[in-house]
Amino acid sequence: QVQLQESGPGLVKPSQTLSLTCTVSGGSISSGDYYWSWIRQPPGKGLEWIGYIYYSGSTYYNPSLKSRVTISVDTSKNQFSLKLSSVTAADTAVYYCARDLLVVPAYMDVWGKGTTVTVSS
Amino acid sequence: DIQMTQSPSSLSASVADRVTITCRASQSISGYLNWYQQRPGKAPKLLIYAAFSLQSGVPSRFSGSGSGTDFTLTISSLQPEDSATYYCQQSYSTPYTFGQGTKLEIK
Repeated sequence: QVQLQESGPGLVKPSQTLSLTCTVSGGSISSGDYYWSWIRQPPGKGLEWIGYIYYSGSTYYNPSLKSRVTISVDTSKNQFSLKLSSVTAADTAVYYCARDLLVVPAYMDVWGKGTTVTVSS
Repeated sequence: DIQMTQSPSSLSASVADRVTITCRASQSISGYLNWYQQRPGKAPKLLIYAAFSLQSGVPSRFSGSGSGTDFTLTISSLQPEDSATYYCQQSYSTPYTFGQGTKLEIK
């Protein structure tokens, strides 16, 4: 049973870079069958898809965040990571990682439990 | 970006009721529509993919229908554990987008 677990600092100062890691267990991130996504949810609000990465390193980012986002993968550690630069209070959210099945149509079938990131000085 | 609009934003229903939630896309997305359930403090859980396919382990009282721009999620006989917020999501084109959510309360 594949499981995903987010980790990283819960508090980030404004203008700094938010860095999170998603560790995949029970399966290989190098499987060609999936994209690996990041999604966030501000307090009391809906879901926003940030972007995804394939095990080869190819990425797609939401244009609304593209200038500030970097998603990377470390297949040796079975992890993928999110970096969001120049954060403001508007980036305060629960951040989820998810497995995105590479079929047509695609869907996100396994999610991490989420990690709360607060942007505050 | 494709805009997803759900209705209603919230609803209250009784156990054993039949409940329907609607999701409308701003352009045709064929059958590229997924439904998720999110209980308070929890991660979203996939219920329905590709508009009408039931995810493994999801109770059969959940069903999905629709294509093009209009989709529905139906709960045939509401149970107390169905109290949650429900989101639709399109995977027709990137960036993926979600509806604003429908909060379902049990009376």
